[in-house]
Amino acid sequence: DVKVTQSSRYLVKRTGEKVFLECVQDMDHENMFWYRQDPGLGLRLIYFSYDVKMKEKGDIPEGYSVSREKKERFSLILESASTNQTSMYLCASSAGTGSYEQYFGPGTRLTVT
Amino acid sequence: GQSLEQPSEVTAVEGAIVQINCTYQTSGFYGLSWYQQHDGGAPTFLSYNGLDGLEETGRFSSFLSRSDSYGYLLLQELQMKDSASYFCAVRSPHSGYSTLTFGKGTMLLVSP
Repeated sequence: DVKVTQSSRYLVKRTGEKVFLECVQDMDHENMFWYRQDPGLGLRLIYFSYDVKMKEKGDIPEGYSVSREKKERFSLILESASTNQTSMYLCASSAGTGSYEQYFGPGTRLTVT
Repeated sequence: GQSLEQPSEVTAVEGAIVQINCTYQTSGFYGLSWYQQHDGGAPTFLSYNGLDGLEETGRFSSFLSRSDSYGYLLLQELQMKDSASYFCAVRSPHSGYSTLTFGKGTMLLVSP
């Protein structure tokens, strides 16, 4: 079974802090994604990566950056956390360039106070 | 840009059949996916339609009409465990690759 793990289930940070969210997948997938999920808004794509050291902006990249130094690991970075970044963050991975099935991690519920 | 419309909530009773519709507007289209998410859980993949027609997987079926920019998820023989949120997602071109754009989700409530 594909397994996608995220470093924390719950996280509380203060405004202005730098926040790192880590995601690891164990199926040698090329593609990795970061989404945020807010009530009534569905899942929105923040960044994605199709290869090591490669990144592409999604639909809402402002205030975020990412890092992919190893194939299995994709990190989301909030350079200076703000209260409007309080959300559920979901990481996903998929195999190949034409893949339509994404495997999701359990999510990190981030609260910025 | 992309936009998807699906009902916010649907209710049904055990054993019934329910259909969740999804209409979309997109610049570029490869296919339509459906995901299920239980409360507090991760989204899980249910089905994908790249071509027009019906795809069946057990009690779940998904339909796509590319000319109408429309699809639906059909759940038969509903069970209590089917109570969850269901998301349609359009797979489309993005920066030379493909990504998923999700709808806002439909909460399905199954009652005894």
